[in-house]
Amino acid sequence: QKEVEQDPGPLSVPEGAIVSLNCTYSNSAFQYFMWYRQYSRKGPELLMYTYSSGNKEDGRFTAQVDKSSKYISLFIRDSQPSDSATYLCAMTPMDSNYQLIWGAGTKLIIKP
Amino acid sequence: DAGITQSPRHKVTETGTPVTLRCHQTENHRYMYWYRQDPGHGLRLIHYSYGVKDTDKGEVSDGYSVSRSKTEDFLLTLESATSSQTSVYFCAIFDRERGGLDTQYFGPGTRLTVL
Repeated sequence: QKEVEQDPGPLSVPEGAIVSLNCTYSNSAFQYFMWYRQYSRKGPELLMYTYSSGNKEDGRFTAQVDKSSKYISLFIRDSQPSDSATYLCAMTPMDSNYQLIWGAGTKLIIKP
Repeated sequence: DAGITQSPRHKVTETGTPVTLRCHQTENHRYMYWYRQDPGHGLRLIHYSYGVKDTDKGEVSDGYSVSRSKTEDFLLTLESATSSQTSVYFCAIFDRERGGLDTQYFGPGTRLTVL
């Protein structure tokens, strides 16, 4: 079993919908949780991160961590065709944050 | 792309030939990484470096070697390329993000096809 599980999709939704992307993990030592966005034929870029539990909001994006359930989510409100990309979750323990443990990535398609 | 360049950006080669991919950074980052990305597998770490001449293996290091003789360059070598090494290869560095988080930032990738 992988340490981080993420449904690869694709997830196809109409423009304007609320999107929910999720990862589950097994290692309770993970402290930092990151979401990267990767456009086609580009490198991943850091979108958002949270530390420990709770929510973090940045514009249309909200990252949520539930450590009791070992579950993280990324919500996208008012989704746009430009949000079409692969979204990868990554996480790390506090004492070795130079190493990331990656989910497989979810391909998101926003239909105009 | 975090000031990282990768070369070549595309390469087609034949089975059994040696291939070297280069990652170059100009900001004196200590940690550098090589990943491969394949459908259904996400990013998998091949090797990483934590300083000049200091390297360590990742989860998929078989068939790959690395070298770092200068801070700015991290080379990935496929000694004898196989078709299973057809992939997109990403280099990354470890840096502090604008909000204060140390994390990995990626180059543009090299698309390698082994025939």
